[in-house]
Amino acid sequence: DQQVKQNSPSLSVQEGRISILNCDYTNSMFDYFLWYKKYPAEGPTFLISISSIKDKNEDGRFTVFLNKSAKHLSLHIVPSQPGDSAVYFCAASANNYGQNFVFGPGTRLSVLP
Amino acid sequence: EAGVAQSPRYKIIEKRQSVAFWCNPISGHATLYWYQQILGQGPKLLIQFQNNGVVDDSQLPKDRFSAERLKGVDSTLKIQPAKLEDSAVYLCASSFSGGAGTEAFFGQGTRLTVV
Repeated sequence: DQQVKQNSPSLSVQEGRISILNCDYTNSMFDYFLWYKKYPAEGPTFLISISSIKDKNEDGRFTVFLNKSAKHLSLHIVPSQPGDSAVYFCAASANNYGQNFVFGPGTRLSVLP
Repeated sequence: EAGVAQSPRYKIIEKRQSVAFWCNPISGHATLYWYQQILGQGPKLLIQFQNNGVVDDSQLPKDRFSAERLKGVDSTLKIQPAKLEDSAVYLCASSFSGGAGTEAFFGQGTRLTVV
């Protein structure tokens, strides 16, 4: 039973355009959400996060939107760059569960020059 | 600041053999995690330590997997005996407190192949 879902295994976007990666979750106890980026042969690196008390968090080219009622979040990358090509994981945690992180299966983003 | 260190980077063993992985978290990080990432899937938590105590090991296959963090710093994860389905990348991560709003920092992982 996947608690965090990323229904698009892959996404291709032209350089300079917007990339939108989606994530859905089922556990209403989740209150903190994170996006990680992973290059081949490396561990995941933290990208951006959002608390459940917010609906938007922005950091440079990266913005995460949270829709709690729909149990949905999305990561927007504007403008997309070839170096953004990687696998993106959505993760969620619930403080009363000891703050362990539940990951989605990932979306492979390819930014085409 | 040094990141999370893991060794070895790669390991190939035959089924039924044993193997051990080592992790040194970021200095000062109280919480340490071991994740298993099977190809094409997201990381799955195996065990979480807070200092040297276990917070969550509900998904650790305890008949073959064991982990310890004796002094609340370094940690080892052992598999004995290994099965073919244990082939995966084993990721160690650490976070400052494990409290609300903290992110985990990952090591490069150990890629295990069981043949």
